[in-house]
Amino acid sequence: NAGVTQTPKFQVLKTGQSMTLQCAQDMNHNSMYWYRQDPGMGLRLIYYSASEGTTDKGEVPNGYNVSRLNKREFSLRLESAAPSQTSVYFCASSSQPGGNTEAFFGQGTRLTVV
Amino acid sequence: TQLLEQSPQFLSIQEGENLTVYCNSSSVFSSLQWYRQEPGEGPVLLVTVVTGGEVKKLKRLTFQFGDARKDSSLHITAAQPGDTGLYLCAPSSNTGKLIFGQGTTLQVKP
Repeated sequence: NAGVTQTPKFQVLKTGQSMTLQCAQDMNHNSMYWYRQDPGMGLRLIYYSASEGTTDKGEVPNGYNVSRLNKREFSLRLESAAPSQTSVYFCASSSQPGGNTEAFFGQGTRLTVV
Repeated sequence: TQLLEQSPQFLSIQEGENLTVYCNSSSVFSSLQWYRQEPGEGPVLLVTVVTGGEVKKLKRLTFQFGDARKDSSLHITAAQPGDTGLYLCAPSSNTGKLIFGQGTTLQVKP
């Protein structure tokens, strides 16, 4: 069972470069989320998609864009990476939005911006 | 905007000790989830509490939802090194967002 798959697992970017983090789930879930986690911190919500065709800002959306490509895939784009975006990024999915059903997480993408 | 606070932020204890961590808010929730995140992994759901005053047990872990459904606690009895991790609470939301508290980092030393 793949669950939630994130690619890449590791990435180093130079300041100003762009990249897209990919996330795919095979559980037919309606809702998908992107989080960042900084050392010693909890998860902060960047963007979410309550259902296919919708996306909305979370707690820390600045510097990011997202695309809900289809029901399975939800990508996160950094247009011009900054050192402050060095973090571990997690994608998650759930059958219903807003913490009403279990969320399943990917393994994370460790991003370093130099 | 709901304010969600978890305490303590860090806890380092010896194997066999008991501990309690808290998740508090000024808002009322219809339900609340607890997750545990082990180093290098994504969070995994432990339990969902739904009813005010509810107590749920998962082996040595006891979860309680406050009567007013604004707060919750997690009590671990006779902690073991395998309990080490980050404990996160997340209340339900009718906005579609899934927001987590800052978490409690627990270290259990052998």
